Amino acid sequence: GAVVSQHPSWVICKSGTSVKIECRSLDFQATTMFWYRQFPKQSLMLMATSNEGSKATYEQGVEKDKFLINHASLTLSTLTVTSAHPEDSSFYICSARGTGGLYNSPLHFGNGTRLTVT
Amino acid sequence: GQQLNQSPQSMFIQEGEDVSMNCTSSSIFNTWLWYKQDPGEGPVLLIALYKAGELTSNGRLTAQFGITRKDSFLNISASIPSDVGIYFCAGRASGGGADGLTFGKGTHLIIQP
Repeated sequence: GAVVSQHPSWVICKSGTSVKIECRSLDFQATTMFWYRQFPKQSLMLMATSNEGSKATYEQGVEKDKFLINHASLTLSTLTVTSAHPEDSSFYICSARGTGGLYNSPLHFGNGTRLTVT
Repeated sequence: GQQLNQSPQSMFIQEGEDVSMNCTSSSIFNTWLWYKQDPGEGPVLLIALYKAGELTSNGRLTAQFGITRKDSFLNISASIPSDVGIYFCAGRASGGGADGLTFGKGTHLIIQP
């Protein structure tokens, strides 16, 4: 149980275009999902908290107009990188709390999306 | 905020050897989680610990929640090639981030044949 699916696994786009990444909880409902960014050989950096039915909460230094988050249902959150630039190239990972969404439930992660902006 | 020190940063070992890594924090944690990340994939939960002193195994992996609640270790016995990857500890305490977690910087495990 507690499977999180992320799509696409990798994407290459041209500078100035927008890219949408999907995060789905496959066998449970997730009122809260999280989006991370990871640079090579670095730990995960929390970007934002995606809340079903309400606005996302962004970490300090993360541009909300740059990284649009939509959590339209209990099983789907999307991250859209708008007007992408080469410096946005990174590994993006989503996560969701396990069944019940209890605060002390472990987080389960998607497989990540490798974004390359040319 | 909390700080989490994970060591070692990298390990180069021979296949069949045992592995030990640990995380220490500057404050008390209520939960310790250990994840493994393979290249190009997301972290996968290995072991979750919820009580001080708790010792939990998952196959060849064993992790313990330190009595002081400020540390945790992960041991891997008889390493095999598929153990290669990055191992992250994560702790949860009051006042943690929005996801409630503080991550270690990871231990890169490399196994030499």
